[in-house]
Amino acid sequence: EAGVAQSPRYKIIEKRQSVAFWCNPISGHATLYWYQQILGQGPKLLIQFQNNGVVDDSQLPKDRFSAERLKGVDSTLKIQPAKLEDSAVYLCASSFQGAGGYTFGSGTRLTVV
Amino acid sequence: DQQVKQNSPSLSVQEGRISILNCDYTNSMFDYFLWYKKYPAEGPTFLISISSIKDKNEDGRFTVFLNKSAKHLSLHIVPSQPGDSAVYFCAARVQLNKFYFGSGTKLNVKP
Repeated sequence: EAGVAQSPRYKIIEKRQSVAFWCNPISGHATLYWYQQILGQGPKLLIQFQNNGVVDDSQLPKDRFSAERLKGVDSTLKIQPAKLEDSAVYLCASSFQGAGGYTFGSGTRLTVV
Repeated sequence: DQQVKQNSPSLSVQEGRISILNCDYTNSMFDYFLWYKKYPAEGPTFLISISSIKDKNEDGRFTVFLNKSAKHLSLHIVPSQPGDSAVYFCAARVQLNKFYFGSGTKLNVKP
């Protein structure tokens, strides 16, 4: 079974620029999550999708962050404009019908300078 | 508000000895708990879980204990091996399969 794919692995941008991350979950996993992990902290949920609908985006900074999951498969997370404090690893995870633990991707390490 | 806390940022243990990683939580509505292991430059990988209706779950060298009255979770690794050196996160679930994560404990197992 292929894992959760994320790209790019690393990204360096200047503040106020925009950036997008891509995630392809495990085939058949209806639930997809985006997490932000700042250095020294645990992952924090940004948004949760069930198929292509949003279940929870209460911690997503909606003035600058947006996410979509077209056709209930792949997802993209966008930051526009980026701030220095957005420097973090962005983790995508998926689970089967929202049950049990997640499978995480390797993450995208974003550095905003 | 941090609903899941790992108060020890690091732990160093000799190979062959027991490693005990601790986790405390505040929300009594959590019904399912997980431990994840993370190596550098990789995503967290699932290690072991426990339902809130149990107090112990064992899988090989790994055992998770749950004390609901104390709102405390612990992971025991016996015997510890150098390959166990990683960051360990505990996570707790509320409804809709939403997990809250602790800040992690970096385990170093010395040969």
